[in-house]
Amino acid sequence: DTAVSQTPKYLVTQMGNDKSIKCEQNLGHDTMYWYKQDSKKFLKIMFSYNNKELIINETVPNRFSPKSPDKAHLNLHINSLELGDSAVYFCASRRRDTQYFGPGTRLTVL
Amino acid sequence: GQQLNQSPQSMFIQEGEDVSMNCTSSSIFNTWLWYKQDPGEGPVLLIALYKAGELTSNGRLTAQFGITRKDSFLNISASIPSDVGIYFCAGQINYQLIWGAGTKLIIKP
Repeated sequence: DTAVSQTPKYLVTQMGNDKSIKCEQNLGHDTMYWYKQDSKKFLKIMFSYNNKELIINETVPNRFSPKSPDKAHLNLHINSLELGDSAVYFCASRRRDTQYFGPGTRLTVL
Repeated sequence: GQQLNQSPQSMFIQEGEDVSMNCTSSSIFNTWLWYKQDPGEGPVLLIALYKAGELTSNGRLTAQFGITRKDSFLNISASIPSDVGIYFCAGQINYQLIWGAGTKLIIKP
């Protein structure tokens, strides 16, 4: 069984569109994260939720809006997509000091 | 944002060689983590270190948490082809992970 899952795996879309990425974890963890990994492989944290409440909100354009319907899910909605949003987006969940990552969603904005 | 200093940036090695990489920081961390990322996948935890001076092994991998809590190294002994990938160090502070830029391991045929 997959611990942290994301859908879709690949997302290709036009500039200006709105898209969502879904994340689910079946580990029973209280805290979940969204990261962006750029072409140089640097991992940058975007958001963190603990028990459905936002606890970290890094400097991210407000076109990005996370939504946590329950503590097992943390979805990422992106409005008005731009070319610079192209990257791989990772969801993660945390137990103690360790984070467990999903397989990533490769977003390509044309 | 804050980033750990990870080196080397990339390594070309022969199969069977030992590998060493390290991370340093100006900040003190309570936890150091080492992850590996294969192409098209998310980072996977290799080793977690919780105490200064701690030396932990996971198969052919060995990692140490520096005594000053500002650095860590990862060694891989007798490398094999499936060791290729990007290795990341991460230090934990306030439930956030501060990441290194990664070390790309390439094994020469």
